[in-house]
Amino acid sequence: DAGVIQSPRHEVTEMGQEVTLRCKPISGHNSLFWYRQTMMRGLELLIYFNNNVPIDDSGMPEDRFSAKMPNASFSTLKIQPSEPRDSAVYFCASSLRTSFGTGRTNTGELFFGEGSRLTVL
Amino acid sequence: QKEVEQNSGPLSVPEGAIASLNCTYSDRGSQSFFWYRQYSGKSPELIMFIYSNGDKEDGRFTAQLNKASQYVSLLIRDSQPSDSATYLCAVKKDSSYKLIFGSGTRLLVRP
Repeated sequence: DAGVIQSPRHEVTEMGQEVTLRCKPISGHNSLFWYRQTMMRGLELLIYFNNNVPIDDSGMPEDRFSAKMPNASFSTLKIQPSEPRDSAVYFCASSLRTSFGTGRTNTGELFFGEGSRLTVL
Repeated sequence: QKEVEQNSGPLSVPEGAIASLNCTYSDRGSQSFFWYRQYSGKSPELIMFIYSNGDKEDGRFTAQLNKASQYVSLLIRDSQPSDSATYLCAVKKDSSYKLIFGSGTRLLVRP
């Protein structure tokens, strides 16, 4: 089976431009996460979708960031306008979230895509 | 205080030695604990998870959990140069979807 697929792998753009990052989760997974990784802040959760519905976007830094998941097999993260401080590696990850009778959810294993390295000049 | 703390390293060990990676967490409600490995320029991949106090072994890897001390560790026996990577500790509450990552410890295994 294919893993999580992200595009583009690398993006170099100028400040003020719109950036759109794309993600195709693993088929059958019902949870999708967008993370951002920088040397200074590590891996930060930006937004979480469950069954295509945004559940928590508290990690989205500003109104310049938006994310959508129009169907179970596709999600986008958009930055408009982009700024140099947005430069980072953006990871999409998916998982299968199930609940057991005790309230315990599944292992929580996230499957990460290869990431999109964004450089804003 | 960060929710998940790790020493950034690098931790340098000779080939064949035991590498010990440590992680502390602040939320006593945390129930699930994960170790991810991330090679330079690559994405994180899950190595092990542990729920219960004590040790859990998988091949050369052993995860250790002490909830009273809010401490989780990863031991790598017979370290190989191919183990050189950044190791990320992550924790979550059982009722939560949110996986909180530490900043990672960089491990270097010298041939």
